[in-house]
Amino acid sequence: DGGITQSPKYLFRKEGQNVTLSCEQNLNHDAMYWYRQDPGQGLRLIYYSQIVNDFQKGDIAEGYSVSREKKESFPLTVTSAQKNPTAFYLCASSISGYPNQPQHFGDGTRLSIL
Amino acid sequence: SQELEQSPQSLIVQEGKNLTINCTSSKTLYGLYWYKQKYGEGLIFLMMLQKGGEEKSHEKITAKLDEKKQQSSLHITASQPSHAGIYLCGADIPDTNNAGNMLTFGGGTRLMVKP
Repeated sequence: DGGITQSPKYLFRKEGQNVTLSCEQNLNHDAMYWYRQDPGQGLRLIYYSQIVNDFQKGDIAEGYSVSREKKESFPLTVTSAQKNPTAFYLCASSISGYPNQPQHFGDGTRLSIL
Repeated sequence: SQELEQSPQSLIVQEGKNLTINCTSSKTLYGLYWYKQKYGEGLIFLMMLQKGGEEKSHEKITAKLDEKKQQSSLHITASQPSHAGIYLCGADIPDTNNAGNMLTFGGGTRLMVKP
């Protein structure tokens, strides 16, 4: 079945450590997105990529980095510069980066600080 | 203030009752999406509305977009425990430096259905 796979489901970070969240899709979608969700709040866009080897900052990119070397993969690194990383992270993809294309989501990764 | 306001923030209904969730913007929306999320899981796409006055239904869930394309409602008929979860609206809002398919989301409505 086609879909979006995020791993791991739970992740713990020590102070000063970088961690990488994986997002893989086999839907042949061009566009991919990373969102952050805090308790009781909606989603906020961290980074997005409309095509391979290209990505753009979203609303809250500080302290995060991404790469898009393959169409299927869009990993997110939470760096030590992100002072409040505890949140639920969601990856999404859409057929293209043009408007009016529904985004489809993975099951999320919950990141906590040790 | 959020660009997309959802109301109510939470809702508890008795099984079998109808309910409505609203999503409102001060700007005209290019596209409006409804998603459902179970706690700790990803978002499930429900429906997309693009045209003013558009209405779509799937099983017992109906979504409408008003003529001005500034407000959408999600109506559930004869609610069941399986309808419980968080409902989020997302929209393509113009004039937000949006060069593509970036969505702005409302804060979500947490629905509980009592058996």
